Order: sequence, then C-alpha cells, then structure tokens
Amino acid sequence: EVKLLESGGGLVQAGGSLRLSCAASGFTFADFYMSWIRQSPGKAPEWLSFIRNKANIYTTENNPSVKGRFTISRDDTQNVLFLQMNTLRAEDTAIYYCTRHEVGAGVMAVWGQGTSVTVSS
Amino acid sequence: DIQMTQSPASLSASLGETVTIECRASEDIYNGLAWYQQKPRKSPQLLIYNAKNLYTGVPSRFSGSRSGTQYSLKINSLQSEDVASYFCQHYYDYPFTFGSGTKLEIK
Repeated sequence: EVKLLESGGGLVQAGGSLRLSCAASGFTFADFYMSWIRQSPGKAPEWLSFIRNKANIYTTENNPSVKGRFTISRDDTQNVLFLQMNTLRAEDTAIYYCTRHEVGAGVMAVWGQGTSVTVSS
Repeated sequence: DIQMTQSPASLSASLGETVTIECRASEDIYNGLAWYQQKPRKSPQLLIYNAKNLYTGVPSRFSGSRSGTQYSLKINSLQSEDVASYFCQHYYDYPFTFGSGTKLEIK
C-alpha cells in the first residue's frame, strides 16, 4: 500500500525552526517527484516546494511566499522527504502535507495525513 | 502568479442532482489543471488531471471540461459521499496555485 507519513510538527515560537519529515512506503520513492503543501484552517491548500528525482538532479522549485525560509530535501536511501522551516511566523500555522506527483509534473496524486504546525507569537 | 478564481464558494444540492463547480484562470494554463476533493478532517484526494482526465478509481459521475480559461468540474447523480470541499489547482507554471474552494452540501 502506498503511504506517506508526516512527522515533526508541533508548537514553536515565532522566529524558531522546525524540520518536518515524510516517510514514504509502498512504492519506489526515488522515482517520484515530491512536494510539500500546507493548509490553514478553513483555507485552500498552498503549494510550498517541489523536488524532482535523481534522474532530474534533485532540482527544486519553491513558492516565493516561503523562499529563503523553507528548504525541501530528500533522502532516497531512507525513503524520506524533508522540509526545513526557519524564521517561522504566526501565519505559517497550518497542517503540512507531503505529496507524491504523478501523471504530470504538477499533479499531486498521493497525500499524507498531514502534520500540524502551530507558531505562537 | 496565475490566479484561480473558483465559484461558487458553497453549494447545496439534492441527492441525484447534477452540480457544476468552476474555476477561471487569470491566463491561459493550457489544460494544466487538477481537481481535488477534500472530505471533512481528511487530506485532499485527486479527482481529475489535465482538465478532463479521470484519475484511477474515481467514479465516472465526476467529469472535467474546459472552455478557454474557464474549467469546470461536474458531478452527476450526487451521492451522500460527495459531501466535501472541492479545489482546483493549476500546474502550468510555478508557483502552483489553488482555487479558494467550494463546499458542497446535501439539501
């Protein structure tokens, strides 16, 4: 069964950092492009960052809204996707999802259950 | 950034009815559009990609179409399990952006 399991969320003070992880199982993680998405309560999802696979040199794309503060990375040996989040702000409070792309570079076909991040000011 | 204007914000319909949700892109996105369904307290799930292609396992009562920069999601024969929020998302270029969502309820 294809699964994505996020972890690392929690309560952090404004200005702090968190590192989110997403453990992938049930598929060949190294073959797929991956993204992080977040969703604040009652709001639409917001795409954050995208990382290609090894064949595409692990290149990344980032939403300008978090550029310079958030960094996506992956460890294909451990089947884990990461999101390093620095200089956190109250508006970063959200559920953070990792997603697997398929049927097209921008299509997010598999989503994890999410991990909650709360930034207190 | 490409803006996705989604309407309506909420929708109430009876079982068995047909409903349509629309998203208008601020510029041509050349069919680079997906639709997602999000049930309460759950993660979004992919329904449609490339504007009109049904994702694996999605019931055939869901369909997508395009007219210019306007994209539509149609749900035929509304079922109780279709109660959810629906979001469009473009992937023509970066950053990918989502519509604001449509909350579908049963009358």
